[in-house]
Amino acid sequence: DAGVTQSPTHLIKTRGQQVTLRCSPKSGHDTVSWYQQALGQGPQFIFQYYEEEERQRGNFPDRFSGHQFPNYSSELNVNALLLGDSALYLCASSTWSSGYGYTFGSGTRLTVV
Amino acid sequence: KQEVTQIPAALSVPEGENLVLNCSFTDSAIYNLQWFRQDPGKGLTSLLLIQSSQREQTSGRLNASLDKSSGRSTLYIAASQPGDSATYLCAVKGPDEYGNKLVFGAGTILRVKS
Repeated sequence: DAGVTQSPTHLIKTRGQQVTLRCSPKSGHDTVSWYQQALGQGPQFIFQYYEEEERQRGNFPDRFSGHQFPNYSSELNVNALLLGDSALYLCASSTWSSGYGYTFGSGTRLTVV
Repeated sequence: KQEVTQIPAALSVPEGENLVLNCSFTDSAIYNLQWFRQDPGKGLTSLLLIQSSQREQTSGRLNASLDKSSGRSTLYIAASQPGDSATYLCAVKGPDEYGNKLVFGAGTILRVKS
């Protein structure tokens, strides 16, 4: 049973560019959340999608946006990249029947130069 | 505001030792608490999930306890092995006004020496 799949694994972008990260949730999960993890810190919540709608958002600027598709997969888009956006971006999936235990992907390492 | 603190920040032990990692949270009205393991540069692997109504969960050499009223959880690792070396993260879901997001601690970096 495939877990959460994220792509790409690594990405290098230039300041001011735009980036799209992708996530396929674990089979049976319908809720997708995105987290940003800076080096040496715990993950910080960006937003969560359920039924193709953004249900909850953390303290991130509007440059961060997302989308969920009918098959529950999701994208995270970041516009006008800043050096400070360099981080590990983690996708997590869950569903109520799992007791809202979260399954995380391996992450996308984004480096902004 | 829900805040999660993990102590110690780093721990180095010889192989075979039993050890305890600590996690505390400021608002006790949580829905659940989850312990994760993270290898350098990798994603998070779920170790144990404890619902608010539960006191502990066990998986192999791992045992996690939850004391909601005092806002604390511990992760006990028995007979540690070099392969246990990683960062261990604690995360809570809830209370309700925080929605479905997880709030994480900064983690405990564990090194088990052979």
